[in-house]
Amino acid sequence: KQEVTQIPAALSVPEGENLVLNCSFTDSAIYNLQWFRQDPGKGLTSLLLIQSSQREQTSGRLNASLDKSSGRSTLYIAASQPGDSATYLCAVDNAGNMLTFGGGTRLMVKP
Amino acid sequence: DTEVTQTPKHLVMGMTNKKSLKCEQHMGHRAMYWYKQKAKKPPELMFVYSYEKLSINESVPSRFSPECPNSSLLNLHLHALQPEDSALYLCASSQPADGYEQYFGPGTRLTVT
Repeated sequence: KQEVTQIPAALSVPEGENLVLNCSFTDSAIYNLQWFRQDPGKGLTSLLLIQSSQREQTSGRLNASLDKSSGRSTLYIAASQPGDSATYLCAVDNAGNMLTFGGGTRLMVKP
Repeated sequence: DTEVTQTPKHLVMGMTNKKSLKCEQHMGHRAMYWYKQKAKKPPELMFVYSYEKLSINESVPSRFSPECPNSSLLNLHLHALQPEDSALYLCASSQPADGYEQYFGPGTRLTVT
């Protein structure tokens, strides 16, 4: 059974810092990996999708990498802003339609 | 348009009530999902519909009954719920041809009294 772990569970940084969120998974036979953002009491917003054959994806200030062999993904956020404050969730798809989520990283960016 | 809509936004129901949650997408996606999310926890998969057929049921109690009337709509019928069923219920959709990237709705906040 796939297990997904995110470290750290919470992170507080001053505005402008570059930061890295980590995600690890136990079963490397994945179909894809998705990073989501969730604001309190809201739904999930898809940030980046990395297919199993890809190594990284970029969108604006966000860059996600994938290393299947080591069971790891990182989400890099450049020049963080207070508006980036949210919970970031990593989810792994093993079967083409079943996401297993990590516990999330709660990010606070202070002005 | 990458929008998934869910109604109602909030629902309060008694343990003897019958209610339904509704989800709609117009992206032409052929896979739709129901997730349950408790406070400060990640979403947990409940059901998956693929091409309007139920393909995955993650051992969900029968008091939750999903329905997919057509490729754009997904319902979750609720009956005789327990207070521990109070949670945020999220709907998502994806397209197999697009690598199954899942798009989520805003959720329905359910409180069972």
